[in-house]
Amino acid sequence: QSVLTQTPSASGTPGQRVTISCSGSSSNIGSKYVYWYQQLPGTAPKLLIYRDNRRPSGVPDRFSGSKSGTSASLAISGLRSEDEAHYYCAAWDDSLRGVVFGGGTKLTVL
Amino acid sequence: QVQLVESGGGVVQAGKSLRLSCVGSGFTFNQFGMHWVRQTPGKGLEWVAVTWYDGSNKYYADSVKGRFAISRDNSKDTLYLQMNSLRAEDTAVYYCARDRDSSGYLVELDYWGQGTLVTVSS
Repeated sequence: QSVLTQTPSASGTPGQRVTISCSGSSSNIGSKYVYWYQQLPGTAPKLLIYRDNRRPSGVPDRFSGSKSGTSASLAISGLRSEDEAHYYCAAWDDSLRGVVFGGGTKLTVL
Repeated sequence: QVQLVESGGGVVQAGKSLRLSCVGSGFTFNQFGMHWVRQTPGKGLEWVAVTWYDGSNKYYADSVKGRFAISRDNSKDTLYLQMNSLRAEDTAVYYCARDRDSSGYLVELDYWGQGTLVTVSS
């Protein structure tokens, strides 16, 4: 059971906009930055969104992050087949004194 | 270019020990926090441990606390994970990852190694 809760799966068709949610608590998302990682099949995770809503260089602006209270969301617009991957949210947790990851959301592009 | 290369994985019996290494190159190793993150095949990511840039602070997941020890040798640009009293549930791919922050509090893991597989047999 992950400290951060994500729905296990999401799907969309090419060109659509999909949203992946991540729910936490006051000791993590509610008071710390949220990060999103993309993991393509057979590869290491890649930093996709940092400090709630910032994109590293090279990440398309189709990807965006937001946060409200103890929940965060990753939105992907103009969905493409290469976006099919697992997406994980993460944050530091002050109570646990460590990093917590969400269980991951598998995104399928239909 | 930035590279992280893990080594030391393999098959080990339950109760035994194993030490993983992660060599960094292409960046100033002693300026960054470093993490270990593991992933059971087919499952999600689980954070294991973090060490600050100078090794002054270290934090662990409850699941490994008291059994695993993270350390670093900045003179060798190398991160370590000493794993003792291994259990079947420690079987996973272990990744080292660089944190863009010197501490590791920010979880900005911008570079990851390719991972090394640890299999604990019972």
